[in-house]
Amino acid sequence: GAGVSQTPSNKVTEKGKYVELRCDPISGHTALYWYRQSLGQGPEFLIYFQGTGAADDSGLPNDRFFAVRPEGSVSTLKIQRTERGDSAVYLCASSPGRTPHTDTQYFGPGTRLTVL
Amino acid sequence: AQSVSQHNHHVILSEAASLELGCNYSYGGTVNLFWYVQYPGQHLQLLLKYFSGDPLVKGIKGFEAEFIKSKFSFNLRKPSVQWSDTAEYFCAVNPTDSWGKFQFGAGTQVVVTP
Repeated sequence: GAGVSQTPSNKVTEKGKYVELRCDPISGHTALYWYRQSLGQGPEFLIYFQGTGAADDSGLPNDRFFAVRPEGSVSTLKIQRTERGDSAVYLCASSPGRTPHTDTQYFGPGTRLTVL
Repeated sequence: AQSVSQHNHHVILSEAASLELGCNYSYGGTVNLFWYVQYPGQHLQLLLKYFSGDPLVKGIKGFEAEFIKSKFSFNLRKPSVQWSDTAEYFCAVNPTDSWGKFQFGAGTQVVVTP
């Protein structure tokens, strides 16, 4: 079946611009995660949704970052006033959500964001 | 603050050699532990996970990992690697009191030469 998809695959923007990154999880998965991966690092947790609500957004670095999941499926990560330091690969993952502690997370291919 | 340490950033070995990748975490409470792998050009995928029971866990493709609670470690092993095991390997920790928050290590790039 279809896996997690993310669009766009690449995004180049200028400093100060606004960007939106989209994640389509596996159908039926109630848990959705956003991570950021910088070069040479592992994925860094940003936010976790259970259904429509953000169950844990403690990883969002500042108030320029915001994520929504209005209908409990597709999620959008929004970054305002982008900075060069926001350049990274943004990963989305989903899991069935019944037992998030132990569920396998299924990752998408990521969106590579470059802020010039 | 909790952290996950992977001691080797880059490992090069020959086919049929044995592989062991170290992972240590700093967290005093109960955790669930995972190893994920990213093959060249592919998405991150789960190799194996531990949350209770036998501390020796077997995963896909002949990998296994051992949870040693007293050492806060969850090392990954494979007795005999193949060229197709060339990939980046990530250890991840989920404290059971942080429902959906996962912390990943920096990763170990493994290159297996023919």
